[in-house]
Amino acid sequence: DAKTTQPPSMDCAEGRAANLPCNHSTISGNEYVYWYRQIHSQGPQYIIHGLKNNETNEMASLIITEDRKSSTLILPHATLRDTAVYYCIVRPKAAGNKLTFGGGTRVLVKP
Amino acid sequence: GAVVSQHPSRVICKSGTSVKIECRSLDFQATTMFWYRQFPKQSLMLMATSNEGSKATYEQGVEKDKFLINHASLTLSTLTVTSAHPEDSSFYICSARDRIAGVMETQYFGPGTRLLVL
Repeated sequence: DAKTTQPPSMDCAEGRAANLPCNHSTISGNEYVYWYRQIHSQGPQYIIHGLKNNETNEMASLIITEDRKSSTLILPHATLRDTAVYYCIVRPKAAGNKLTFGGGTRVLVKP
Repeated sequence: GAVVSQHPSRVICKSGTSVKIECRSLDFQATTMFWYRQFPKQSLMLMATSNEGSKATYEQGVEKDKFLINHASLTLSTLTVTSAHPEDSSFYICSARDRIAGVMETQYFGPGTRLLVL
């Protein structure tokens, strides 16, 4: 599976947009980009995923560059409850493939 | 999103005893379930993958005789930590994949079980 690189930590202000970058320069054509987050002492929560088009749902937006080598997760209006570790994961499309977690980005939303 | 539950949420046991953790998909059928382990300040590490009705596939370095996995139905998988020792103390998280043929299946996670072995 392609590896991902994320900054280890970042702070953002409550009410502002949070932009979380992820590099996946070795991604192949059949691999999706998934984002999960893990709030302290809880299981990971699914946020969003995409293949090549930008995606948006009630939680976030996912912007994937045209060459697919990087992506950005956008939390439009960060709240204190968005403080968590955010994981960017690349997963092959083929059924049965597992999610492998890297270090993620520890996001701290400050008042 | 789909709901995955785990029971118990927290367990304390004595060294040498066995502990069973249940994972259930509440509103969907899961052909595949995964078990992860997470030590403090570390990321999730996949332990094994189980498919309903077949033997689990363990990741390298995970002892299959110590971590027994049973995926008896499309909504239930169990992880039994046999002869637990203090080094097995960790946060165990299960995950289930929705069973929708032909669709990229999203993987949902349970709330985790914190195991403390004294």
